[in-house]
Amino acid sequence: GAGVSQSPSNKVTEKGKDVELRCDPISGHTALYWYRQSLGQGLEFLIYFQGNSAPDKSGLPSDRFSAERTGGSVSTLTIQRTQQEDSAVYLCASSLEGLSGSGSEQYFGPGTRLTVT
Amino acid sequence: AQSVTQPDIHITVSEGASLELRCNYSYGATPYLFWYVQSPGQGLQLLLKYFSGDTLVQGIKGFEAEFKRSQSSFNLRKPSVHWSDAAEYFCAVVRGGYNKLIFGAGTRLAVHP
Repeated sequence: GAGVSQSPSNKVTEKGKDVELRCDPISGHTALYWYRQSLGQGLEFLIYFQGNSAPDKSGLPSDRFSAERTGGSVSTLTIQRTQQEDSAVYLCASSLEGLSGSGSEQYFGPGTRLTVT
Repeated sequence: AQSVTQPDIHITVSEGASLELRCNYSYGATPYLFWYVQSPGQGLQLLLKYFSGDTLVQGIKGFEAEFKRSQSSFNLRKPSVHWSDAAEYFCAVVRGGYNKLIFGAGTRLAVHP
């Protein structure tokens, strides 16, 4: 079946603009994750959604970052007033269940490369 | 600080040679342990994982990893490297009760013909 898809694949934006990044998880996966991959910080967890539970936002770097997951499926990561340090590849992943219990495998999307000029 | 350490930033091996990529973690309890591979322009792919039981874990593409509790290590091995194994390799952990991967900095593998 289809894997995790993300759009756009590349996004160039000007400093100060808002951007929205989209993630379509694998159908039936209840858990969805966002990570960021940058040269300076490596791979970092941003946020985790599991079913109807409150999301774990502990990895969001500032209040300019937010994410939502509608209908338990598609997720949007929004970055407001973008800064140059936001330039990175944003990766989405989904899993059948959360990691902590069953240790379900996370399937990663190809990522969105964000460049803030 | 609690962390995942991959001491080797870059490794070069000859095709057909054996490979070992190191990973150490610093958590009190044994976390879940993973190795991922990222090829250029590709997403992350899971090679193998360890939760409990047999400390030698077999994965895809001929890779294996051994968990050593006494050394807090989870090193990745392959007996004979192929040119297509050139990629970046990430060790990651999930702490008990949490639902996020914590990644090491990665090891970039180059393979000489």
